[in-house]
Amino acid sequence: QTVVTQEPSLSVSPGGTVTLTCGLPSGSVSSSNYPSWYQQTPGQAPRTLIHNANTRSSGVPDRFSGSILGNKAALTITGAQSDDDSDYYCVLYMGNGIYVFGTGTKVTVL
Amino acid sequence: QLQLVQSGAEVKKAGSSVKVSCKASAGSFGSHAISWVRQAPGQGLEWMGEIIPYFGTTYYAQKFQAKVTITADRSTNTVYMGLGSLRSEDTAVYYCVRAQVFYGLDVWGQGTTVTVSS
Repeated sequence: QTVVTQEPSLSVSPGGTVTLTCGLPSGSVSSSNYPSWYQQTPGQAPRTLIHNANTRSSGVPDRFSGSILGNKAALTITGAQSDDDSDYYCVLYMGNGIYVFGTGTKVTVL
Repeated sequence: QLQLVQSGAEVKKAGSSVKVSCKASAGSFGSHAISWVRQAPGQGLEWMGEIIPYFGTTYYAQKFQAKVTITADRSTNTVYMGLGSLRSEDTAVYYCVRAQVFYGLDVWGQGTTVTVSS
């Protein structure tokens, strides 16, 4: 079973910048994994933020950006707001119809 | 605009099975895949498997291959997720979601809580 790793928790000050990463211990994340990112608040279904590594989904504020940094996918929040206090998950497409979620990152804005 | 509407909460006994539905409203599945994702209490999200209703093709995460059966009824635009041999560890919220390789998991159902009691 493939493991996709994320930082368990990160904190950021209001107005600050934070970068979350999504990695494969067994190798590198590439564009062919079509990395996507999701935000989830308690009791709610996840919301899609980024697809295809760096494309913001409809209605997503431009303070969220995605990229591939080195051998990992990354989500950067620039100018963090209190509303960004959430859990964030990446998803990688592994081919042959298979997706894998990352372990999730809890972002605290304080 | 596609919306996914799931069936209501279930309470089941350990050892039994459950079937959760996911109906397309205000749209259809088209040729897209519908995935199932589960979230146990206080835990992260897990991709379980998916079906492409148009072709009936299914894919499962290795962990769920012997546990989950995903089917589709194209006549009613409904996808089903069956979970057998229920254990307390299967207590979770189960989501259906449209899955597109390029666009990711982009349309989510509201989630269905399955509680397994011993």
